[in-house]
Amino acid sequence: EAGVAQSPRYKIIEKRQSVAFWCNPISGHATLYWYQQILGQGPKLLIQFQNNGVVDDSQLPKDRFSAERLKGVDSTLKIQPAKLEDSAVYLCASMGPGQGGTGELFFGEGSRLTVL
Amino acid sequence: AQSVAQPEDQVNVAEGNPLTVKCTYSVSGNPYLFWYVQYPNRGLQFLLKYITGDNLVKGSYGFEAEFNKSQTSFHLKKPSALVSDSALYFCAVRDVDAGNMLTFGGGTRLMVKP
Repeated sequence: EAGVAQSPRYKIIEKRQSVAFWCNPISGHATLYWYQQILGQGPKLLIQFQNNGVVDDSQLPKDRFSAERLKGVDSTLKIQPAKLEDSAVYLCASMGPGQGGTGELFFGEGSRLTVL
Repeated sequence: AQSVAQPEDQVNVAEGNPLTVKCTYSVSGNPYLFWYVQYPNRGLQFLLKYITGDNLVKGSYGFEAEFNKSQTSFHLKKPSALVSDSALYFCAVRDVDAGNMLTFGGGTRLMVKP
């Protein structure tokens, strides 16, 4: 079974530039999450999708971050314009259907962003 | 609001000795609890979870964890540590009554020395 795919693995940009990260979850997984992991910290939830609808985006800095999952499969996270404090690893995760909250998340390897 | 605390930034243990990585949580309802491990430049890998039933749960690579409701703890344990267990460990909680949001602790670095 293929895992969660993310790209790019690494990205270096200058502040005020834009960047986009792509995630393809495990086939059939309805729930998709984007987490931000700053060095030395635990992952922080940015946004959660159920199919193509947003379940929770309360911690997403909406003035600069956006995310979409148009067809309920793959997802894109965009940052525009980037700030120095956005330097982090962006993790995508998915969870299978019908778990009722008991399921574990499956994570991709992450996209490491460095903002100069 | 739900939260997780991992009081130790780092745990050092000699190979062959037992290890414990501590985790306490706070939720308003009933918790689902998880442990994940992260190796360098990799994503998080699921180790084990507590949903209901037996307070002692067993997971991958010989790890186990004990759920203690009165102390709101879910400590990770292993009877005999291996050098290859050296990694970053994260505890996470999901409030049963508050949707599917999974909240992570700050992580504990486990160093196992030969």
